[in-house]
Amino acid sequence: KQEVTQIPAALSVPEGENLVLNCSFTDSAIYNLQWFRQDPGKGLTSLLLIQSSQREQTSGRLNASLDKSSGRSTLYIAASQPGDSATYLCAVNPDSNYQLIWGAGTKLIIKP
Amino acid sequence: GAGVSQTPSNKVTEKGKYVELRCDPISGHTALYWYRQSLGQGPEFLIYFQGTGAADDSGLPNDRFFAVRPEGSVSTLKIQRTERGDSAVYLCASSRTSQETQYFGPGTRLLVL
Repeated sequence: KQEVTQIPAALSVPEGENLVLNCSFTDSAIYNLQWFRQDPGKGLTSLLLIQSSQREQTSGRLNASLDKSSGRSTLYIAASQPGDSATYLCAVNPDSNYQLIWGAGTKLIIKP
Repeated sequence: GAGVSQTPSNKVTEKGKYVELRCDPISGHTALYWYRQSLGQGPEFLIYFQGTGAADDSGLPNDRFFAVRPEGSVSTLKIQRTERGDSAVYLCASSRTSQETQYFGPGTRLLVL
């Protein structure tokens, strides 16, 4: 059974720092992996989607990497800003269908 | 264009009451999903619609939960005889097809007293 873990549960860093969020999964046979952002009172916003054949995806200051063999993905945020404060969740799609397996998220606080 | 909308944004009810939660997906999206998210947890899958039919309702916790999508667009999640343990944020998402990115609504925060 696929399980997704995100550590740490919370992270607080000063503005301007580069940071890495971690996601690990137990079964390397995945179709894709997504990183989402969740703001209080708002829905989930998809940030990056990495297909199983890809190693990384970039969007602006965000870079997500995928290492299937080790069951890990990282989300790198460059030059963090207070507006980056949110909860970041990763979700694994096991086999091209709709069912996403979610981590519990990392709550990120960027201090001005 | 308009995103996924959910109403109400907040719902407070008493134990034993019936509630309905509504989801308006993005126009043209054939796939619609309901999730439940408890505090500090990731979303938990409840049910998936392809068009008007529930293609997978394996995530519904028990027979008090039911969902419909009669015209293949708007969906309603119905909870009978609510219990305090039903308190959570109920999220709806839609996608153009089941293999494409899911777009989420803001959720309905349900509190059962």
